[in-house]
Amino acid sequence: EPEVTQTPSHQVTQMGQEVILRCVPISNHLYFYWYRQILGQKVEFLVSFYNNEISEKSEIFDDQFSVERPDGSNFTLKIRSTKLEDSAMYFCASSAGGGRGETQYFGPGTRLLVL
Amino acid sequence: GQNIDQPTEMTATEGAIVQINCTYQTSGFNGLFWYQQHAGEAPTFLSYNVLDGLEEKGRFSSFLSRSKGYSYLLLKELQMKDSASYLCAVKTTDSWGKLQFGAGTQVVVTP
Repeated sequence: EPEVTQTPSHQVTQMGQEVILRCVPISNHLYFYWYRQILGQKVEFLVSFYNNEISEKSEIFDDQFSVERPDGSNFTLKIRSTKLEDSAMYFCASSAGGGRGETQYFGPGTRLLVL
Repeated sequence: GQNIDQPTEMTATEGAIVQINCTYQTSGFNGLFWYQQHAGEAPTFLSYNVLDGLEEKGRFSSFLSRSKGYSYLLLKELQMKDSASYLCAVKTTDSWGKLQFGAGTQVVVTP
């Protein structure tokens, strides 16, 4: 069964450093998303992406964050100048379509720890 | 803003039934999803409701009442592996594809 994959599974970085989290969405999916989950808190939407551009972003997704689809398979989230509060699990998700009933399938996540 | 409420934790015994409630207050409701999340893992899709009524999928069923802003997830014949967090998530018409999640209900299944 096709699945969303993410690398790395864990990332430890120093405050102020840049990190890039990578995702390979399900191959025939066209809509991509990033969510994060701070330990013990709810899953929060960051951004959605379609047709090589951002469709929607939350207030969390400020200038520190960017997304890119550098090739036909990868979807990346870059966090510049990381802060302690960026420590969280970051989930990538994809869906085949953008309709209201379209299921979003989540990857296993990247656990980011900022020291 | 949006408000999605679920109980924090529920405990039930193996073989029993548990009902997890979710209430929401949103502008422009456009569908409700239930996901299961085991500790340290990704949310996995369980069910979707957009019209009033019950959707059944094996041991899991989900119900929606749009007029009451209410949904529940029913887990029957509980198994130990059902111990997990169950997340209620809502889509709204003012948003393109964003899922807004509740805090999740931790279900503990005991022998």
